[in-house]
Amino acid sequence: DAGVTQSPTHLIKTRGQQVTLRCSPKSGHDTVSWYQQALGQGPQFIFQYYEEEERQRGNFPDRFSGHQFPNYSSELNVNALLLGDSALYLCASSTGPSGPPDTEAFFGQGTRLTVV
Amino acid sequence: SQKIEQNSEALNIQEGKTATLTCNYTNYSPAYLQWYRQDPGRGPVFLLLIRENEKEKRKERLKVTFDTTLKQSLFHITASQPADSATYLCVLSYNTDKLIFGTGTRLQVFP
Repeated sequence: DAGVTQSPTHLIKTRGQQVTLRCSPKSGHDTVSWYQQALGQGPQFIFQYYEEEERQRGNFPDRFSGHQFPNYSSELNVNALLLGDSALYLCASSTGPSGPPDTEAFFGQGTRLTVV
Repeated sequence: SQKIEQNSEALNIQEGKTATLTCNYTNYSPAYLQWYRQDPGRGPVFLLLIRENEKEKRKERLKVTFDTTLKQSLFHITASQPADSATYLCVLSYNTDKLIFGTGTRLQVFP
């Protein structure tokens, strides 16, 4: 079992550009959540995808959007990048609504995005 | 909005001692409280989950307590080892799958 995989591991972008990050969930998981973790802070919830739809959303602007594919993998897109978007972006997979509520989330190793 | 307080200062302890980390939250109690470990540049790894109707949960050298009256959770690592050095994150969940993370406490165990 490969667990949760994210790509790329590191990325450098220029202000104003757009970026796409990718996530493959753990085998057997159908729900993907994305988190942003700034240096020295805890992860902040961006949104969650289940059945190819955005199920919940945190306090992030519309520049942050996502997608989930039929195979449960997911993408996070960020438009018009700002310097403040520099962070570690984490993907977490779980069984979501299809499984028991009190189960752990499995995280990928993250994508380190640097905006210059 | 919910606020989670973890000691932002690093906790330095000697190998073999018990490390105790504190998590305090405001507002209403979560359905579940979880603890994750995070190493530099890596994603968080799940350690323990405790439900609101549970007082204590143990797993090997780890122990978590949950006091909904004090709105506090304590996380203990007994017989600590240098390999336990990491950042430990307190996480609240309210049956919505969305996880609310604290800022974490960095633990350093020295020989």
